[in-house]
Order: sequence, then structure tokens, then C-alpha cells
Amino acid sequence: KNEVEQSPQNLTAQEGEFITINCSYSVGISALHWLQQHPGGGIVSLFMLSSGKKKHGRLIATINIQEKHSSLHITASHPRDSAVYICAGGPTNYGGSQGNLIFGKGTKLSVKP
Amino acid sequence: KAGVTQTPRYLIKTRGQQVTLSCSPISGHRSVSWYQQTPGQGLQFLFEYFSETQRNKGNFPGRFSGRQFSNSRSEMNVSTLELGDSALYLCASSLAGARDEQYFGPGTRLTVT
Repeated sequence: KNEVEQSPQNLTAQEGEFITINCSYSVGISALHWLQQHPGGGIVSLFMLSSGKKKHGRLIATINIQEKHSSLHITASHPRDSAVYICAGGPTNYGGSQGNLIFGKGTKLSVKP
Repeated sequence: KAGVTQTPRYLIKTRGQQVTLSCSPISGHRSVSWYQQTPGQGLQFLFEYFSETQRNKGNFPGRFSGRQFSNSRSEMNVSTLELGDSALYLCASSLAGARDEQYFGPGTRLTVT
């Protein structure tokens, strides 16, 4: 069964701290999506990566294919980064019984000023 | 480019009623996926439509159904509502499916009383 495990479940940080959220996945996943969900519900796609590293502003996502592990880093965290961060495994095929995203449980991040 | 829109944003229904939710994808996107999000279960996949065909279905009862029109707009329907159907319903559009970057709508918050 394809699974995505995320840690930690909850994270509280002080403004300015470096934050890391981890995601481990099983076989059958071709790419890893990092999503951000603010209170109120809307979800924004932050990254989709299948190898290496991507950076966008203060956010960095890395993936290690051999270890089936991905991390999301936030540098110089700010209270506006407070949100739920979700990793999701993308399928190897379009459609079919395994052709959908598989979600982690999410990490609730709270950054205090 | 306009984002994914969902209507209505909020809905209150009574047990036993039925409800129809609508999702308009980003222009050019042919895949629309629907998800249910509850505090206890997190994000769960309902179904995916691609070019007016249901391509994949999650583990939900037959009371949950959907369709996609020729302009890629999609609707989902829940019949005989139960209290447990109270949730945030999100749709996501993409070019061709879950292997591509996903663009989420703001969601419809359904409350069943």
C-alpha cells in the first residue's frame, strides 16, 4: 500500500527560526508535492519535485529518491508562515486505481512573534 | 489566468437532503479531482474526472457521485446527506492528472444538521 508519513504533527517556532518538516513515502510515488493550507481552507501548491532541490523565496524543498524522503525548510520564519503544511505523493500513472495523490496528515506550524 | 473557483463557498443542509457542488477549473486544464477534508480523516480522495470521464474513484459510498462537462467544469453530488458528510470539499485542477501540479479551489464548507 502506498503511504506518506509526515513529521512532526505540530510545530511551534519563534520568529526567525529555521524550520524543517519531514516526509517519508513508500514505493509507487513519482513526485512529491508540498502544499500549504491557511486557516479558512484554501490550499496552495508550494512545490512539486521528483529529484534534487527547489527554492522559492524563503522556502526550500529537497527530495532524496534513494531514501524516499523529502524535507521542506523555511528560513527566517515569520508569523505569516503559520499554516498547515501537507506533503502528498504523486502517482506513477495518470488515472487508474493508483492514479491519485496520497496525502500525509499535515504539519501544523505556528510561528510566534 | 483565473484560478479554480468553487460554488457555493458555504452550505447548510439537513440530513436526508441532497447537495450539488460546482468546480470550474483553470482554462486548459482537463483533469478535475475532488477531495473531502475533515479534522479526523484529513484529505481524502473522492474521484477524478478527465475529459468528461471518471478516471479514478476513492473509497466512498455510492451516495457520492460526480460528472464533468465538455468545458471541463465539474460537479459533485451527495445524496441522502448524513451528519458525517459535514466537511470541506475541495477540488483541484491540473493539465492531465495527479502527476502534474495541482491547483486547488477555495473549497465548499458543507454543514449537515
